[in-house]
Amino acid sequence: LAKTTQPISMDSYEGQEVNITCSHNNIATNDYITWYQQFPSQGPRFIIQGYKTKVTNEVASLFIPADRKSSTLSLPRVSLSDTAVYYCLVGDNDYKLSFGAGTTVTVRA
Amino acid sequence: NAGVMQNPRHLVRRRGQEARLRCSPVKGHSHVYWYRQLPEEGLKFMVYLQKENIIDESGMPKERFSAEFPKEGPSILRIQQVVRGDSAAYFCASSPPDRESYEQYFGPGTRLTVT
Repeated sequence: LAKTTQPISMDSYEGQEVNITCSHNNIATNDYITWYQQFPSQGPRFIIQGYKTKVTNEVASLFIPADRKSSTLSLPRVSLSDTAVYYCLVGDNDYKLSFGAGTTVTVRA
Repeated sequence: NAGVMQNPRHLVRRRGQEARLRCSPVKGHSHVYWYRQLPEEGLKFMVYLQKENIIDESGMPKERFSAEFPKEGPSILRIQQVVRGDSAAYFCASSPPDRESYEQYFGPGTRLTVT
């Protein structure tokens, strides 16, 4: 499994855009990049997945450069309810999801 | 649609007792996964089950831990003779048979405290 590195924490304010970058220098050809979100006292929730370039859904955008050694999750116009831990996962869509420590995003009023 | 249900949400056991954690997957989901989250750490895969079959238990300790997903009823994660190190949050996830397995639906977790 490719090792991922992401910031431990990030602070933001309501209405701002939050960008979380995840490094995965050893990503393999067959690996996808997946992001999950976890609120306190809840289980993780799938946000988005991508392989290359850009993916967008109703929740977030995922930017992946050509070398795929990093990726950036972009949360547009965050609100207080976006305060959560965000996990970057890299793998070949194996069912064995591997979560690291994640990035704790705190949104303030 | 009800999501993944887990009960109990909180469980306190003394050392040496047994802990039984239950998971009801999303209706129609036939794949169940169990994960454990130790304090200040990410979730770690334990076991993957389909109805009446254990597909992969490579993440589960070989002693004291067992899991089942019977034809009828919830999936059960059983921990015998609990020790303090078993204190953690245990999450169950499910996925439907016709969808990619990277998108799993997680329950709220059971927080086990061993005293």
